[in-house]
Amino acid sequence: DAKTTQPNSMESNEEEPVHLPCNHSTISGTDYIHWYRQLPSQGPEYVIHGLTSNVNNRMASLAIAEDRKSSTLILHRATLRDAAVYYCILRDGGTYKYIFGTGTRLKVLA
Amino acid sequence: NAGVTQTPKFRILKIGQSMTLQCTQDMNHNYMYWYRQDPGMGLKLIYYSVGAGITDKGEVPNGYNVSRSTTEDFPLRLELAAPSQTSVYFCASEGLDTIYFGEGSWLTVV
Repeated sequence: DAKTTQPNSMESNEEEPVHLPCNHSTISGTDYIHWYRQLPSQGPEYVIHGLTSNVNNRMASLAIAEDRKSSTLILHRATLRDAAVYYCILRDGGTYKYIFGTGTRLKVLA
Repeated sequence: NAGVTQTPKFRILKIGQSMTLQCTQDMNHNYMYWYRQDPGMGLKLIYYSVGAGITDKGEVPNGYNVSRSTTEDFPLRLELAAPSQTSVYFCASEGLDTIYFGEGSWLTVV
């Protein structure tokens, strides 16, 4: 199973953009890149996913490197409600397994 | 909208006891998952299923069993509970490239 590497923690000021990096150097051609976030005492929730092209939705943007060995989750304007652990996950395209790493704990400062 | 429902939410088990964590989803998803999350850690995949009658091991299957007799239900069985199985357990189902998590089951083995 391909693995992801993320920084343990990051801080951001409220109302400013946040760029959360993820390295996945062993990604295979059929692996999708997914991002989930987990608020305290809750199950993870979906944020965004992509395969090769950059993706946007109402929550965030996902920028994928051309070689697909890294990606960046972009929160355009961080709010206090965005404080959570963010997980970058590779979904195995063959088995549909989702293997979580340790994630990045995002702290948003008022 | 029920989504993924887990029971019980909290349970205390004595060492050596057995129990079943129930999970049901009403979204007609084929893919279902069981994860465990130890304090301060990421999620670890225990077992997953790609459809009724088909299950497979994840990263940490030892000490657990699963069955998938229907599309809706995916129970997780703990045999001979051990203190190392104290954790939060999340059931999830996947549809349209999105995982939907239950609210979690907090299990303490004493």
